Amino acid sequence: ETGVTQSPTHLIKTRGQQVTLRCSSQSGHNTVSWYQQALGQGPQFIFQYYREEENGRGNFPPRFSGLQFPNYSSELNVNALELDDSALYLCASSLGGGGAFEQFFGPGTRLTVL
Amino acid sequence: GESVGLHLPTLSVQEGDNSIINCAYSNSASDYFIWYKQESGKGPQFIIDIRSNMDKRQGQRVTVLLNKTVKHLSLQIAATQPGDSAVYFCADPIKAAGNKLTFGGGTRVLVKP
Repeated sequence: ETGVTQSPTHLIKTRGQQVTLRCSSQSGHNTVSWYQQALGQGPQFIFQYYREEENGRGNFPPRFSGLQFPNYSSELNVNALELDDSALYLCASSLGGGGAFEQFFGPGTRLTVL
Repeated sequence: GESVGLHLPTLSVQEGDNSIINCAYSNSASDYFIWYKQESGKGPQFIIDIRSNMDKRQGQRVTVLLNKTVKHLSLQIAATQPGDSAVYFCADPIKAAGNKLTFGGGTRVLVKP
């Protein structure tokens, strides 16, 4: 069984740029959730994708967008980067689009915005 | 509103002692809670969960207690080991939003040799 993987591991961008983060879900999982974790804080829910459709969104502006592909991998796109976007971005996969509670997290992508 | 919070940011414990990590929640409708462990450089890892129809649940060296009257839960780690050093989060899945997890701020457990 393959776990959740994310790429890249680290990324440095400047204000105003755009970034794409990638996540491969655990084998057999059809749901991916994205979280932002600022330093010293708990993860904050960004949005969830179930079978290629957005299935719930947290309190994040529209410049945070996502995609899920037919193989259930997912992308998180952030436009017009701001300094406060610097954080660890986590994706978590699960089975069921809300029916299953347990979410398996990847190691995260550390984004630094200068 | 929905919120999950922890009482202490850091817990320092001697190796071999028991650790107790506390968490308060505000949503009376919450009926399921999960404890996660996050080691440095890694994503959160599921430890144990508990449903609201239970007061206590035990795992391997861990016990979660739920007090619905005061909206409080705790995670007890028996015979704390160096490998238990991590940040621990309680989380509350919100069914209405695809089981998105609402995390508290976390408690860092430091195990002293």
